Amino acid sequence: ELKVEQNPLFLSMQEGKNYTIYCNYSTTSDRLYWYRQDPGKSLESLFVLLSNGAVKQEGRLMASLDTKARLSTLHITAAVHDLSATYFCAVKKGSGGSNYKLTFGKGTLLTVNP
Amino acid sequence: GAGVSQSPRYKVAKRGQDVALRCDPISGHVSLFWYQQALGQGPEFLTYFQNEAQLDKSGLPSDRFFAERPEGSVSTLKIQRTQQEDSAVYLCASSLLGTGGYLNYGYTFGSGTRLTVV
Repeated sequence: ELKVEQNPLFLSMQEGKNYTIYCNYSTTSDRLYWYRQDPGKSLESLFVLLSNGAVKQEGRLMASLDTKARLSTLHITAAVHDLSATYFCAVKKGSGGSNYKLTFGKGTLLTVNP
Repeated sequence: GAGVSQSPRYKVAKRGQDVALRCDPISGHVSLFWYQQALGQGPEFLTYFQNEAQLDKSGLPSDRFFAERPEGSVSTLKIQRTQQEDSAVYLCASSLLGTGGYLNYGYTFGSGTRLTVV
């Protein structure tokens, strides 16, 4: 069974600071996603990472993937209040049964304080 | 439409009542998923359709949960005899291809239906 662990689950940051959210997963994956969720809203796709060493950046967010370590990171640079949300990583299995569905981490609730 | 549409947005049901939640995926999307998101948790897989075929229903919590997609487009998730533990947000997602995504095609999620059982 695929397990996805995120940490930290709660993150309170000051504006302007940097931090990293970690996502570990337990089995081979061919695709890893990062989503953002605002309160009462649906999931907004941020990044999809396909291969080892993949790095994607959008604004103050940068995601990377190490398939050998089964680890993805979401790095936040110079946080601003607008980044406050819950961030989820989700993993799609690389092979075998049920390789169409996503398994989500529990999410990281990010609060950026002035 | 441009996105995945779910209705109703909010549903309050008395314990024991039956409910039906609707999902209208992006036109042409082959794959359709239902997820359940409990408060403060990540979404958990319920069931998967490829066109009208329900290929995986392993995540449905009990036989009170039933999903269908008869014409390969709109899907309905039905919960019979609702219980308090069914309270959650039910998310629908669709994807263009049969394997649930290809290269940069991802999964598009709807806004969800928040079900509260009282």
